[in-house]
Amino acid sequence: QSALTQPRSVSGSPGQSVAISCIGTSSDVGGYDYVSWYQQHPGKAPKLIIYEVNKRPSGVPDRFSGSKSGNTASLTISGLRADDEADYYCGSYAGKFGSGTKVTVL
Amino acid sequence: EVQLVESGGGLVQPGGSLRLSCVASGFTFSSYWMTWVRQGPGKGLEWVANINLDGSEKNYVDSVKGRFTISRDNAKNSLFLQVNSLRDEDTAIYYCTRDVGYTTLDIWGQGTMVTVSS
Repeated sequence: QSALTQPRSVSGSPGQSVAISCIGTSSDVGGYDYVSWYQQHPGKAPKLIIYEVNKRPSGVPDRFSGSKSGNTASLTISGLRADDEADYYCGSYAGKFGSGTKVTVL
Repeated sequence: EVQLVESGGGLVQPGGSLRLSCVASGFTFSSYWMTWVRQGPGKGLEWVANINLDGSEKNYVDSVKGRFTISRDNAKNSLFLQVNSLRDEDTAIYYCTRDVGYTTLDIWGQGTMVTVSS
């Protein structure tokens, strides 16, 4: 199974917005509205922050938002904070994960 | 509190075996699919296997088929992963996760480390 394609890294200053893309195919990202996003801080387990493209679990701030267009899903973090610095992974139907993106807060 | 706690990892030689366990608490374990996900050192996430509510349906990533077996004991709120014929590339943290549908993994354990080395 090929991983979904994510940029290796993105960065932004506190208060800014950053967007992370997740490129798949019509068999995964593009074919179903079942894209999820996970945040992983160093040494910690991943945490679900977005599911079904744009839904947030209870307790996840609305600074995190998701969207999808065709075979590409996106995670946007608005009002960037120092504790948003982490690795982010997308996931799709049928058990595919993205390659991961490191978000750095400058 | 909803929680998953894994155990059973360790250092094992190539070709060896381990049995990973995961105990669930704070939710009705028998009502959920469960999934194992692993993460190699410095690498990304890899879906390994999942199992349905009563254990009658199991799915595996191609690289572990025939070597790993997922199972569950709903009476003991427990999930298992029997890992046999281990290879260097199986070295990873293995996470137990609750699957709420279509690979949406909403609860993760802290992980258990498996190191395959001679």
